Amino acid sequence: GQSLEQPSEVTAVEGAIVQINCTYQTSGFYGLSWYQQHDGGAPTFLSYNALDGLEETGRFSSFLSRSDSYGYLLLQELQMKDSASYFCAVRDDTGRRALTFGSGTRLQVQP
Amino acid sequence: GAGVSQSPSNKVTEKGKDVELRCDPISGHTALYWYRQRLGQGLEFLIYFQGNSAPDKSGLPSDRFSAERTGESVSTLTIQRTQQEDSAVYLCASSLALAATDTQYFGPGTRLTVL
Repeated sequence: GQSLEQPSEVTAVEGAIVQINCTYQTSGFYGLSWYQQHDGGAPTFLSYNALDGLEETGRFSSFLSRSDSYGYLLLQELQMKDSASYFCAVRDDTGRRALTFGSGTRLQVQP
Repeated sequence: GAGVSQSPSNKVTEKGKDVELRCDPISGHTALYWYRQRLGQGLEFLIYFQGNSAPDKSGLPSDRFSAERTGESVSTLTIQRTQQEDSAVYLCASSLALAATDTQYFGPGTRLTVL
């Protein structure tokens, strides 16, 4: 089976940097994705890592270590609009195309 | 349309009734997925379509749940004899089904409440 663990809640202030960790257990591994979901909204894709290392997209970066079955999402220069839930998700390498999602980390950005 | 659309946005039904939820994927996306999200939880996979075929139905929780896709486009998720535990947001996503990144694009969801 597959399972992912991420913290349930994180609080930070505007302008700060926050890191949301994700550890996973899968029978195989194809890549780690991150999605953002505002309350009442649809999940939106943020980033994808298939190989070890850091991927940077503007204020957001995502890191993967396949040997540690670990990844994180780094949000810099936090803004109030970043308050949302963040989900890590994995696709295994069995050919199963569906994503398995973590339970989400609720980020609250305070002024 | 520009994105994935779903209808209705909200559905309130009585226990025991059947409901149909509709998904219109992004034009040209061959893969379509249904997920369920209970309040405060992550997304739970239900079923995946490649074209009009469903090679992976492993997430359907019971035989009360079924789905179909026609014209490699619209999909309908049907829940028969609804139960209170079926209350959740039902999300549809589509993708180009590329081997690598295969980003999934989600619709706004249908919030189902079973009384």
